Amino acid sequence: SQTIHQWPATLVQPVGSPLSLECTVEGTSNPNLYWYRQAAGRGLQLLFYSVGIGQISSEVPQNLSASRPQDRQFILSSKKLLLSDSGFYLCAWSVPLPSYNSPLHFGNGTRLTVT
Amino acid sequence: KQEVTQIPAALSVPEGENLVLNCSFTDSAIYNLQWFRQDPGKGLTSLLLIQSSQREQTSGRLNASLDKSSGRSTLYIAASQPGDSATYLCAVSPSNDYKLSFGAGTTVTVRA
Repeated sequence: SQTIHQWPATLVQPVGSPLSLECTVEGTSNPNLYWYRQAAGRGLQLLFYSVGIGQISSEVPQNLSASRPQDRQFILSSKKLLLSDSGFYLCAWSVPLPSYNSPLHFGNGTRLTVT
Repeated sequence: KQEVTQIPAALSVPEGENLVLNCSFTDSAIYNLQWFRQDPGKGLTSLLLIQSSQREQTSGRLNASLDKSSGRSTLYIAASQPGDSATYLCAVSPSNDYKLSFGAGTTVTVRA
């Protein structure tokens, strides 16, 4: 069966420090990978998605970047964190397109607090 | 731009009552609609996926309906239990790619 791992679960970082959140998927090949951010009381916002190694699409201009160095590894990074980067970050995977009718599978998320 | 709305934002019911959760979307050109459950501080768990050609989907005590022309979906949870307490989110997938648009969710509390 497929599993998705996301770490760390919580993180407190000072403004201006770097960030690296990691996500790995097991039990599937060539998944689509996604990074979402969830703000309190609001829907999920898609930040990045990837359909293959080295292929990253950015949805929202921001202080963050993403990389996919391996087929089942997705990394969210920042060189210098801002207070506005605080939030709940979720990694997700789906089967490759064009199988539109398969669900999205989420990790347990990382609660990031920038102080 | 697709807008997804979930009303009410919160709901509290006694155990055993049936739950009715609403989701509306502005653009009917969707490929599928998904319902998710989120427990506090956790990720989302997929509950049901309805393809655009379907009218409803069922899993155990859960039943989701889809009326694409009116831009609505409803999630029914029969005979609610305290373990059903969570936030329920709906999301729609556009016709041309897999970038979901999410609602803000309905937070459900089932009182024992």
